[in-house]
Amino acid sequence: LAKTTQPISMDSYEGQEVNITCSHNNIATNDYITWYQQFPSQGPRFIIQGYKTKVTNEVASLFIPADRKSSTLSLPRVSLSDTAVYYCLVGDTGNQFYFGTGTSLTVIP
Amino acid sequence: NAGVTQTPKFRVLKTGQSMTLLCAQDMNHEYMYWYRQDPGMGLRLIHYSVGEGTTAKGEVPDGYNVSRLKKQNFLLGLESAAPSQTSVYFCASSYGRGADGYTFGSGTRLTVV
Repeated sequence: LAKTTQPISMDSYEGQEVNITCSHNNIATNDYITWYQQFPSQGPRFIIQGYKTKVTNEVASLFIPADRKSSTLSLPRVSLSDTAVYYCLVGDTGNQFYFGTGTSLTVIP
Repeated sequence: NAGVTQTPKFRVLKTGQSMTLLCAQDMNHEYMYWYRQDPGMGLRLIHYSVGEGTTAKGEVPDGYNVSRLKKQNFLLGLESAAPSQTSVYFCASSYGRGADGYTFGSGTRLTVV
């Protein structure tokens, strides 16, 4: 299983940009990087996926440096409703994806 | 379109009892998964299935059995429940094997006393 390392928790004030970094030193050539979000008492849901450089959608941006050994999920202008656990997954098709413990983000009013 | 439906949502079992958790998906997904989530442990894969009639072990399969007799259903069985199986169980499905395709259910909270 491709493993990742994320901060256990982060706090941020409302309206700020939040960056969550994930380390994946053993990423393979064919691996994609995927982020999920989980609210309390709900299952995780897909946020964004990327392979290299930068990907942006209506919810977040994903920055991946050239060596791909890390990635950063960026949440612009967070609100209280962004309080959740964020998981970074790394792998290719056929992998058993490892969710790990994720990063618990708390947005403070 | 209901997505992934888990039954029941809550259950309390006595040690040694058995039960079956049902997962149903209406998206015609090939792949289905059972995860458990414990405080501070994240999600851990119990068993998964890559198609009707197939099952495979995940990271923490001991004490659980699964069956995928129909494509839309994935059953998780506990033959003799133990307090260590107290957890929140999530079912997920996906069309393909990519990590971007997981759809999760809302979970089953199981307490074994």
